[in-house]
Amino acid sequence: DGGITQSPKYLFRKEGQNVTLSCEQNLNHDAMYWYRQDPGQGLRLIYYSQIVNDFQKGDIAEGYSVSREKKESFPLTVTSAQKNPTAFYLCASSSPYEQYFGPGTRLTVT
Amino acid sequence: GQQLNQSPQSMFIQEGEDVSMNCTSSSIFNTWLWYKQDPGEGPVLLIALYKAGELTSNGRLTAQFGITRKDSFLNISASIPSDVGIYFCAGQGSQYGNKLVFGAGTILRVKS
Repeated sequence: DGGITQSPKYLFRKEGQNVTLSCEQNLNHDAMYWYRQDPGQGLRLIYYSQIVNDFQKGDIAEGYSVSREKKESFPLTVTSAQKNPTAFYLCASSSPYEQYFGPGTRLTVT
Repeated sequence: GQQLNQSPQSMFIQEGEDVSMNCTSSSIFNTWLWYKQDPGEGPVLLIALYKAGELTSNGRLTAQFGITRKDSFLNISASIPSDVGIYFCAGQGSQYGNKLVFGAGTILRVKS
């Protein structure tokens, strides 16, 4: 089955710890994206990558880091510098015209 | 970043009613996309529009790409309880590269 997988679905961390969220796609898409969604809010772009070994900051990149070593994978690290890390994180990938989302990871930091 | 103007912000539906929502922008877009998000899940692509004036259906859903390329509409006919959720519009334009610009969402709830 083609699609985007994110794991885990729920993640709990203590404040001050870095945490890495996984995103894998088998759609053969070049472009991949990370969004953050807060309760009752829309989608805000954290980072995106249009090709392997290249990525750009989105609107709210501070406190996050990414890598794109393989076409299929685009992991997101939430660092301890992110002031309000608790949120729902969505990964997406796109063909030139359509963007598809993964199921999301809910991160809770206490 | 820029956001599209999506309205209404929320609405209540009764089973069997038709529903309409729209998105507007001050910028021109080349592609309009409509998504539905259920609680705790990722958005699912419902309809993609590629040409000004295009009208596309997906079951009970119909969406249109505005002639000015600055707006889009989504209609749901004969709503059913599983239509509840959040509907997002998104536009893609050359001025934003491959990135999408999103509306804030329309929350569909069931009248009790």
